[in-house]
Amino acid sequence: ETGVTQSPTHLIKTRGQQVTLRCSSQSGHNTVSWYQQALGQGPQFIFQYYREEENGRGNFPPRFSGLQFPNYSSELNVNALELDDSALYLCASSPGLANYEQFFGPGTRLTVL
Amino acid sequence: GIQVEQSPPDLILQEGANSTLRCNFSDSVNNLQWFHQNPWGQLINLFYIPSGTKQNGRLSATTVATERYSLLYISSSQTTDSGVYFCAVMGGSEKLVFGKGTKLTVNP
Repeated sequence: ETGVTQSPTHLIKTRGQQVTLRCSSQSGHNTVSWYQQALGQGPQFIFQYYREEENGRGNFPPRFSGLQFPNYSSELNVNALELDDSALYLCASSPGLANYEQFFGPGTRLTVL
Repeated sequence: GIQVEQSPPDLILQEGANSTLRCNFSDSVNNLQWFHQNPWGQLINLFYIPSGTKQNGRLSATTVATERYSLLYISSSQTTDSGVYFCAVMGGSEKLVFGKGTKLTVNP
């Protein structure tokens, strides 16, 4: 059984650019959640996708957007990058909503210069 | 929204020692997970424990949902146990809310 995978591992962008991060969910999981983890902090919820529909969003601006595909993989897009967007971006998948255990991928470390 | 507090923020142990990490939360939860974050950033699932007690080798966890806290016990610590331990809960929404973590250092 393949776990959650994310790509790329590391990424360096400059302020104002756009970035796309990718996540493949664990086999049998239809729910994907994205989190941002700044240095020294706990992960913060960005948004969640369930069966290709957004199902909840945290306190992040609209320039953070996402997609979920029919195979339940997902993308996180960030437009107009800012220095504060530098962080570890984590994707988690689960077999459903609410009362299911979430499993995390290895993360994408984004640096904005 | 729901608040999660973890204590202590930092913990330094000698190899072989036992430790207890605490997680307090401010409202009822339907999901509670403990994670270990390794130096590369990967969150490793330790326990899914919205209530009750579970054990896995040298680790065990107890959640007392009615009193809104959870404890993670690590016995006979090893250097490989070093890292940051996070507690995360899910209340009325679908998102996991994380505490700030406990940074554990186990010295040989």
